[in-house]
Amino acid sequence: LAKTTQPISMDSYEGQEVNITCSHNNIATNDYITWYQQFPSQGPRFIIQGYKTKVTNEVASLFIPADRKSSTLSLPRVSLSDTAVYYCLVGSSGYSTLTFGKGTMLLVSP
Amino acid sequence: ETGVTQTPRHLVMGMTNKKSLKCEQHLGHNAMYWYKQSAKKPLELMFVYNFKEQTENNSVPSRFSPECPNSSHLFLHLHTLQPEDSALYLCASSQDPQAGETQYFGPGTRLLVL
Repeated sequence: LAKTTQPISMDSYEGQEVNITCSHNNIATNDYITWYQQFPSQGPRFIIQGYKTKVTNEVASLFIPADRKSSTLSLPRVSLSDTAVYYCLVGSSGYSTLTFGKGTMLLVSP
Repeated sequence: ETGVTQTPRHLVMGMTNKKSLKCEQHLGHNAMYWYKQSAKKPLELMFVYNFKEQTENNSVPSRFSPECPNSSHLFLHLHTLQPEDSALYLCASSQDPQAGETQYFGPGTRLLVL
């Protein structure tokens, strides 16, 4: 499985756009990039998944450059409730499972 | 509400007790997982089940014993645990046990071993 590297923590203020970048230099051809959000004492929650270019849903956008060695999760106009840990995962089809790293702790302040 | 439920939500047990954690998914998925999350540590995958068959056991001590009677239910039987086993135990499910599949997590069971 491709190893991922993301910042340990980030700070932001309400209403700002937050971009969290994840590096995955060893990503394989078939690997997908998936982001999860986790609040304290809760299970992670799927946010978005992509393979290449840009993916957007009602919660976030995911930007993936052509070489796919990194990806950026973009959260528009964050609120206090977006304070959570965000995990970047990379994995492909096959009989394997995603490996969660340490994630990025996002703190949104008033 | 993710469609994955776990009971109990909180559990305190002594090192000589035997208890079980229960997970149920209402999503029609084929794969179910147990994870352990200790304080300030990443999630650790413990077991994977696909169509009721265990496909992965990540070197988990035998004091943790999983059971999957059908694709919708998953249990984790606990006995003679140690204080360092105190953690949040999370159950998840996905359509198939593939890394590209989205996993849906339950709320977890917060376990304290005294």
